[in-house]
Amino acid sequence: QVQLVESGGGVVQPGGSLRLSCAASGFTFSSYGMHWVRQAPGKGLEWVAFIRYDGSNKYYADSVKGRFTISRDNSKNTLYLQMNSLRAEDTAVYYCAKDRSIFGVVGDAFDIWGQGTMVTVSS
Amino acid sequence: DIQMTQSPSSLSASVGDRVTITCQASQDISNYLNWYQQKPGKAPKLLIYDASNLETGVPSRFSGSGSGTDFTFTISSLQPEDIATYYCQQYDNLPTFGGGTKVEIK
Repeated sequence: QVQLVESGGGVVQPGGSLRLSCAASGFTFSSYGMHWVRQAPGKGLEWVAFIRYDGSNKYYADSVKGRFTISRDNSKNTLYLQMNSLRAEDTAVYYCAKDRSIFGVVGDAFDIWGQGTMVTVSS
Repeated sequence: DIQMTQSPSSLSASVGDRVTITCQASQDISNYLNWYQQKPGKAPKLLIYDASNLETGVPSRFSGSGSGTDFTFTISSLQPEDIATYYCQQYDNLPTFGGGTKVEIK
């Protein structure tokens, strides 16, 4: 079945780095844009980044621009989020999510979500 | 950035009640508006896309309407399994979410 599985979360000190992965299965990964969305403890949802189906365009929330990099490997059906210069306010559950539109060039609806991976930034 | 103002932030209703949640955009977003349900400890689930289209497999008691800046999400007859937090999300520009509405049973 269609599935997204995140990994790579953990505890990291402020200023540190972490790379999240999202393994996709059950659909043609290379045909869909992908997103990262995060949720701080007890808070609402915050969109983080989007990458086009072919990796040619990437967009970021202002809160992470210049620190986070979204990428994908369509040969491995895997999405990534490289997080550098981490801050306490980056503490959250990070979800990867599939864009609803095939070959979409910008974000649409998030129709499939992973279970999330927790990132804690603390000294 | 487009701001999404969702109200109320929480509500309590009885089983069988009609529940309505509103979402207002800071500028015209046409019908580029989606609704999600999130149960505690779970990932969000897409319910409504493009303001009024029901996602496959979603019960018909859920519905959405609106265009421009004002949108409404309705549960026609609240069920115990509908206890969750609901979010609107726009995609006219870079995606942004409303603050969420926590729905509880009275």
